[in-house]
Amino acid sequence: EPEVTQTPSHQVTQMGQEVILRCVPISNHLYFYWYRQILGQKVEFLVSFYNNEISEKSEIFDDQFSVERPDGSNFTLKIRSTKLEDSAMYFCASSVPGTNEKLFFGSGTQLSVL
Amino acid sequence: RKEVEQDPGPFNVPEGATVAFNCTYSNSASQSFFWYRQDCRKEPKLLMSVYSSGNEDGRFTAQLNRASQYISLLIRDSKLSDSATYLCVVNKRGQGGKLIFGQGTELSVKP
Repeated sequence: EPEVTQTPSHQVTQMGQEVILRCVPISNHLYFYWYRQILGQKVEFLVSFYNNEISEKSEIFDDQFSVERPDGSNFTLKIRSTKLEDSAMYFCASSVPGTNEKLFFGSGTQLSVL
Repeated sequence: RKEVEQDPGPFNVPEGATVAFNCTYSNSASQSFFWYRQDCRKEPKLLMSVYSSGNEDGRFTAQLNRASQYISLLIRDSKLSDSATYLCVVNKRGQGGKLIFGQGTELSVKP
């Protein structure tokens, strides 16, 4: 069964450093998303991406965040200057055109900012 | 008021029990409704969509009451493998994959 893959599974970084989280969505999917989950809290929407541009973003997704689809397969989330409060599990997801409410999630990248 | 509210849990039940989860949502513009399952520190996985007419998938039954803005999930004959956190999820008309998650209700099924 096709799946969304994310790398790395764990990322430890120092406050102020830049991190890039990587995702390979399911190949025929055209809508891509990033969500995050702080430990003990709910899953929160960050951003959606379609046709090489951001279609929607949340208040969390400020200027420190950016997304990119550098080639035909990867979808990345960059945090320019990490803060302690960025520590969370980051989930990438993708969906099929026409059923873009049914998301397939990757297994996540646990980001720890020290 | 939270956009999606769920029973706080945790629910501890014996195998074979029937357990019900409740959820309310605040935005009447919500269009689509789902139950997701999340195992500890893993990704959410779609359990089932929820339709106004109610829908059933094996031991799982979901109901939606738009007038009351209320969603439910019933699990019959619970198994040890049902132990997980159950997430009530909604999204608004025209907002596609921008899902709004509830806090989740933890279920622990004991032998």
